[in-house]
Amino acid sequence: KAGVTQTPRYLIKTRGQQVTLSCSPISGHRSVSWYQQTPGQGLQFLFEYFSETQRNKGNFPGRFSGRQFSNSRSEMNVSTLELGDSALYLCASRGGSTVGGETQYFGPGTRLLVL
Amino acid sequence: TQLLEQSPQFLSIQEGENLTVYCNSSSVFSSLQWYRQEPGEGPVLLVTVVTGGEVKKLKRLTFQFGDARKDSSLHITAAQPGDTGLYLCAGATDTNAGKSTFGDGTTLTVKP
Repeated sequence: KAGVTQTPRYLIKTRGQQVTLSCSPISGHRSVSWYQQTPGQGLQFLFEYFSETQRNKGNFPGRFSGRQFSNSRSEMNVSTLELGDSALYLCASRGGSTVGGETQYFGPGTRLLVL
Repeated sequence: TQLLEQSPQFLSIQEGENLTVYCNSSSVFSSLQWYRQEPGEGPVLLVTVVTGGEVKKLKRLTFQFGDARKDSSLHITAAQPGDTGLYLCAGATDTNAGKSTFGDGTTLTVKP
């Protein structure tokens, strides 16, 4: 069974630009969560999508948005990039149960550098 | 807001030593996961614990979930250089199963 894939793996952008990151979950998984990881803040939850609907949202500004397609693939978009958006963006895949205990599996991440 | 406090933040030991990493919270979690992460890569799942008091073993790694499901520990016996990495604990609740709360991580270095 293929794991979670994320593209691109590395990205360099300049301030003010926008960026779109993609995540393909494990086959059969319907939930995709996005996290931002930085040295200072650790892993912080951005949002979760399930069956094309945003089910949970973290405390990030509206510049961060996402969507999910009918095949469960998800994209996240960051508009008007700031230097502080430089981070490793991680996507996690789950079956989608609302009951705790279901394991989430992470992709390799997209390393974004904003200059 | 749920918080997970992980300790110690950094740990540097010699090959063959034992170590324990702690993950504590004032909140109750329905499940807790431990991950290991290499630089520039995504976290790799080590174990999921869901029952209070549960103990799981994975070769030289022993994981315990507290009786009240508020804390957990990871014990490594006879550490090896290959155990070097960032260890993360993450908790989830039934109402927010897709929104895990992560500890700040423990950076483990095992010197040969």
